[in-house]
Amino acid sequence: EIVMTQSPATLSVSPGESATLSCRASESVSSNLAWYQQKPGQVPRLLIYGASSRATGVPARFSGSGSGTEFTLTISSLQSEDFAVYYCHQFGDWPQTFGQGTKVEIK
Amino acid sequence: QVQLVESGGGVVQPGRSLRLSCVASGFTFSRYGVHWVRQAPGKGLEWVAAIPYDAIGKYYGDSVKGRFIISRDNPKNTLYLQMNNLRAEDTAVYYCAKSGAYSASSFVDSWGQGTLVTVSS
Repeated sequence: EIVMTQSPATLSVSPGESATLSCRASESVSSNLAWYQQKPGQVPRLLIYGASSRATGVPARFSGSGSGTEFTLTISSLQSEDFAVYYCHQFGDWPQTFGQGTKVEIK
Repeated sequence: QVQLVESGGGVVQPGRSLRLSCVASGFTFSRYGVHWVRQAPGKGLEWVAAIPYDAIGKYYGDSVKGRFIISRDNPKNTLYLQMNNLRAEDTAVYYCAKSGAYSASSFVDSWGQGTLVTVSS
């Protein structure tokens, strides 16, 4: 199976600053990658699909980039509601797999 | 709006079976792939299984292959997960999730609230 490795495990950021989250695939998944946000006690929410397309209703401060094996989620000017855990998900091969998550916490 | 309502979770002994159900509404169920994704307490997301709109082809994660069976009943707008030979490591919240496309080879764009399965003697 394709292993998705996210880094860092935890990112400490001050409100208003930007955050860059990385996701690396052990094999190419082309652009078949999505990002999700999960807050404590809530279900995950789709942010990005196709590596760089924002889902409906997602603020423009969230952006995704990359293809093949290297992907990035950038959150510009972090708001209080953005502190959460973020997961990448590859759907380019079976079995589909998730990264282990990056927790974005308040610095 | 899309609604996915899981049921069937509970406490079960190791080696026993359990069947989860997910009733969908707010979209044309028969036109979309659907997934099961689980999350152990305090842990990350783990993709479990998926089935396309027409149920031709079923896909499983390595940790459940040969023990779990995904199926769907389109006229009833219902997704199922038959879980056999359960292990302690299967303890998790199980989410029903809608694919963003007719196939199962797609991202998840909607999630249910989840049902908790606890495997313990």
